[in-house]
Amino acid sequence: DTEVTQTPKHLVMGMTNKKSLKCEQHMGHRAMYWYKQKAKKPPELMFVYSYEKLSINESVPSRFSPECPNSSLLNLHLHALQPEDSALYLCASGRAAGIDYGYTFGSGTRLTVV
Amino acid sequence: DQQVKQNSPSLSVQEGRISILNCDYTNSMFDYFLWYKKYPAEGPTFLISISSIKDKNEDGRFTVFLNKSAKHLSLHIVPSQPGDSAVYFCAASGGSYIPTFGRGTSLIVHP
Repeated sequence: DTEVTQTPKHLVMGMTNKKSLKCEQHMGHRAMYWYKQKAKKPPELMFVYSYEKLSINESVPSRFSPECPNSSLLNLHLHALQPEDSALYLCASGRAAGIDYGYTFGSGTRLTVV
Repeated sequence: DQQVKQNSPSLSVQEGRISILNCDYTNSMFDYFLWYKKYPAEGPTFLISISSIKDKNEDGRFTVFLNKSAKHLSLHIVPSQPGDSAVYFCAASGGSYIPTFGRGTSLIVHP
């Protein structure tokens, strides 16, 4: 299995809703990442988990809350989002110590906040 | 300030010809460089990488060239195929192994 699976593929939520994005990989990767991508822009790093521990939080607002329950799963909990948070949210995984394979990205969750 | 720059937002090439995508970087601490390919509605896919100890890396139709003194790298696709039409992101990283992405170049290969 060489894929990173993200669910759901599309999500529409109101500003008062609570929802979660899920990401799963079974490649034995020990680093997992959340990126946010706006249209026609490169992916922007949000969070990095290394060996299930949060190692980097790129000044992301607290309405985004990541969780790594185990080495294969990564969640992003969403609460009280704003319309400007509408974007494609990408999960990626990679080897924790080095990047000789690059990263494997999921197909993303397209989030619309109304 | 962009540390990884792809100055051409788009490139159009005839099928069978060479596609050359360029990338410049400013951070001299970068020592690993990657190219990603992204189709619409999909996440970026790793394509090819190069370490700063090399100046060329080849994988099939794809070759990446690195000019450290100029802080410039390029991706050559020969021969170009319509299926290569996608957005190509250049990325660079240093000790943290977290890539910094360029803004991407949209490649269109015409049949």
